[in-house]
Amino acid sequence: DGGITQSPKYLFRKEGQNVTLSCEQNLNHDAMYWYRQDPGQGLRLIYYSQIVNDFQKGDIAEGYSVSREKKESFPLTVTSAQKNPTAFYLCASSMSGHNEKLFFGSGTQLSVL
Amino acid sequence: QKEVEQDPGPLSVPEGAIVSLNCTYSNSAFQYFMWYRQYSRKGPELLMYTYSSGNKEDGRFTAQVDKSSKYISLFIRDSQPSDSATYLCAMSTGQGAQKLVFGQGTRLTINP
Repeated sequence: DGGITQSPKYLFRKEGQNVTLSCEQNLNHDAMYWYRQDPGQGLRLIYYSQIVNDFQKGDIAEGYSVSREKKESFPLTVTSAQKNPTAFYLCASSMSGHNEKLFFGSGTQLSVL
Repeated sequence: QKEVEQDPGPLSVPEGAIVSLNCTYSNSAFQYFMWYRQYSRKGPELLMYTYSSGNKEDGRFTAQVDKSSKYISLFIRDSQPSDSATYLCAMSTGQGAQKLVFGQGTRLTINP
């Protein structure tokens, strides 16, 4: 089945620690995205990538980093510089950077210990 | 003022009722309008996608766009307990998904 796989489902971060969230897609989509969702708030864009080896900051990129070495993979690192990392993180993809239809993974809940 | 406003609810209705979910927006350049359904602790799934003004129907779901009033709606007929979820509106000027603006979501519960 085609889709987007996010792992792990739950993740705990200690203070001062960097953690990496995995996102893999087999939809052959060019564009991939990371969103953060906080209770009662809409989705906020962290980073996006329209093509391999290229990515752009979204609205709330501070304290996060990404890489796009393969078309299928777009991992997100939450660094120690992100002071309020507790949130539900969603990875998404679209056929191209010009297509508005997003397909989402099932999310990763990150909490601080 | 937020670019997209959506009543967060929660909204609770009996099974079989007609549900109306709404969003208002301020950017007159928005042309693409979407509704996503998100079950608890899951990723959103695209439910309806419309371009410009008008209505679009898909089974029990109808999406309505009124660009003159900057108002979009999602109607659910014959609502079922399985429709219980958070519904997110999203809209775009057509410059790609990175420009999508989401509402904060309305939490809906259908009571058997």
